[in-house]
Amino acid sequence: QITLKESGPTLVKPTQTLTLTCTFSGFSLSTSGVGVGWIRQPPGKALEWLALIYWNDDMRYSPSLKSRLTITKDTSKNQVVLTMTNMDPVDTATYYCAHRNYYDSSGDSFDYWGQGTLVTVSS
Amino acid sequence: DIQMTQSPSSLSASVGDRVTITCRASQSISSYLNWYQQKPGKAPKLLIYAASSLQSGVPSRFSGSGSGTDFTLTISSLQPEDFATYYCQQSYSALTFGPGTKVDIK
Repeated sequence: QITLKESGPTLVKPTQTLTLTCTFSGFSLSTSGVGVGWIRQPPGKALEWLALIYWNDDMRYSPSLKSRLTITKDTSKNQVVLTMTNMDPVDTATYYCAHRNYYDSSGDSFDYWGQGTLVTVSS
Repeated sequence: DIQMTQSPSSLSASVGDRVTITCRASQSISSYLNWYQQKPGKAPKLLIYAASSLQSGVPSRFSGSGSGTDFTLTISSLQPEDFATYYCQQSYSALTFGPGTKVDIK
C-alpha cells in the first residue's frame, strides 16, 4: 500500500532555510503519471499548496512562493525533498507531502497523504 | 492566480440532513476541481476529483457537480462521521485550495 512520511526540523529560526524530506513507499516516482506534492496548513487555517514534482522531472510551484521553493526527487531512495528559504514566523505550519492521484488523468489531486509535520519558525 | 471561494464558511446540520457546499472559481477552470474532507489533527482525505468522480472507497452519499466556475459538493444524508471541514481545490492553473467549510452538529 502507499504510504508517505514527512521528516525534518520542528523548529527553525527566522531567515533560515527549511529542508523537508518526504519518504514514500508503495509506488515509484519513475512510473508514468506519478507525482508528489507538498501542501502546508498554518494552525487553524486553510490548506496551501506549495509544489509538485512529476515522474518526468516536471515541477510546478506556487506562484506566490516560487522564489523561495525548490523541489527535488531521488527515485532510488523513494524521497522527495522540499527546501524553503528565508523562513519567517508566518511560515509556521503543518507541512504535508501527498501522492498525486494517478486516476486523475488530466488534473492534479492528492489521494494519499503523509501524517504531516509541524514546523515552527521562531527565534 | 485563480482564487477559490466557498460558501457557507460554516454550517450546522443534523444527522440525516442533505448538505450542499458551494465552491466558486475566479475564472473558468473547466472540471479541474477536487474536494477534500479534513478532520481535526488529521490529513485531508480526497472525496471527489475532476468535479464529479468519486474517489475509490468514498461512500456514495458524497457527490460532486459543476463545471466552469461553479461547483457543489453534496452529502445526501449526513452521517456522524461526516462532521469535518471540507475544502475544494483547483488544478487548472497552478493549484489553489478554497478557504474551507466547517460542518458541525446542530
